Amino acid sequence: GNSVTQMEGPVTLSEEAFLTINCTYTATGYPSLFWYVQYPGEGLQLLLKATKADDKGSNKGFEATYRKETTSFHLEKGSVQVSDSAVYFCALSDPTSGTYKYIFGTGTRLKVLA
Amino acid sequence: KAGVTQTPRYLIKTRGQQVTLSCSPISGHRSVSWYQQTPGQGLQFLFEYFSETQRNKGNFPGRFSGRQFSNSRSEMNVSTLELGDSALYLCASSLVGRNTEAFFGQGTRLTVV
Repeated sequence: GNSVTQMEGPVTLSEEAFLTINCTYTATGYPSLFWYVQYPGEGLQLLLKATKADDKGSNKGFEATYRKETTSFHLEKGSVQVSDSAVYFCALSDPTSGTYKYIFGTGTRLKVLA
Repeated sequence: KAGVTQTPRYLIKTRGQQVTLSCSPISGHRSVSWYQQTPGQGLQFLFEYFSETQRNKGNFPGRFSGRQFSNSRSEMNVSTLELGDSALYLCASSLVGRNTEAFFGQGTRLTVV
């Protein structure tokens, strides 16, 4: 079945460091891909999305490119801030059944130190 | 435009009781999904409703049920609560379509004692 695999956390970085959080997926058909962020005590917020191969989603300095050949959607940011500390979820929207069920990875906790 | 609203935000229940959680989706969104989030299991899909019909169901026991009303508002119910049901329950609403994203509420934190 369809699935999303994220790198294990936690990831601890110093402020202004480069961030990569790996995400790979398994899907039949052509899913849309998403990154969500969850701050403590909150629900998930959409960070960015990409809907077809080679699309690049970007928001707030974060970027991810939909790579069909490697079935990946890695999240990157050139210079992280303390305020980026949160849990990041990779997700796909499964169109195969026509019901567009969302499938989430396990989440990666990011901690940025001042 | 109002976001997804979940009530209550916090809830404490005793083992064996039942609980009902409520979710009001974004206006115009007809798909509502529920997720359980725990530190050990992560984010697990419970069920999804569209036009008052359950279209998808996750791997949870029958104690977990839900429904959707004609105005797209949704409720989920957990009967005979167990300690392991303690979790953050998240509701998400979306338009229906291949490229649409899910919008989440802030969740209901359920503690079973």
